[in-house]
Amino acid sequence: DQQVKQNSPSLSVQEGRISILNCDYTNSMFDYFLWYKKYPAEGPTFLISISSIKDKNEDGRFTVFLNKSAKHLSLHIVPSQPGDSAVYFCAGGSARQLTFGSGTQLTVLP
Amino acid sequence: DAGVIQSPRHEVTEMGQEVTLRCKPISGHDYLFWYRQTMMRGLELLIYFNNNVPIDDSGMPEDRFSAKMPNASFSTLKIQPSEPRDSAVYFCASSPWGGEGNTEAFFGQGTRLTVV
Repeated sequence: DQQVKQNSPSLSVQEGRISILNCDYTNSMFDYFLWYKKYPAEGPTFLISISSIKDKNEDGRFTVFLNKSAKHLSLHIVPSQPGDSAVYFCAGGSARQLTFGSGTQLTVLP
Repeated sequence: DAGVIQSPRHEVTEMGQEVTLRCKPISGHDYLFWYRQTMMRGLELLIYFNNNVPIDDSGMPEDRFSAKMPNASFSTLKIQPSEPRDSAVYFCASSPWGGEGNTEAFFGQGTRLTVV
């Protein structure tokens, strides 16, 4: 039973355009959500988070939106840059435990 | 701070052999997590510790897997005997107690295990 799903294994976007990565979850007990970014041969690194009581959090080029009624969150990257090319994992958190999705490979084309 | 340190970075072993993966969390972090990354399942939580005590090991796939945290600065994940389907990247992560609310976990660089 996958509690966090990232249904798009890959996404390609032109440099300068918007990247939108999507994530769905089934566990209503998550009280926060996070996005991690992973480059090859490195561990995931934290990117941005959002509390379950909010619907939007913004940090520079990165914005996370949360739709609790739809159990859906998304990460927007504007403008996309070639250095953003990586695997992005979303995760739901509860009591310090993170449950990750399977990841989306983002490729930003120059 | 050097971050979470894992060793070895790569491990190739024969089926049936014992494998031990090591992790040094960030000093002062109360929580330590072991994850496994595969193409099919992404990042799966295997087990996590709070103050060196295992809290939830429901993600450990089989009895062949065991994890210990003898002190606040060291943890091991052991597979005995290893099988080819154990081949994956194993990550260790740690996080501090920051009170209530969301707290990120900091990941090591991972150990790529190949069982042949």
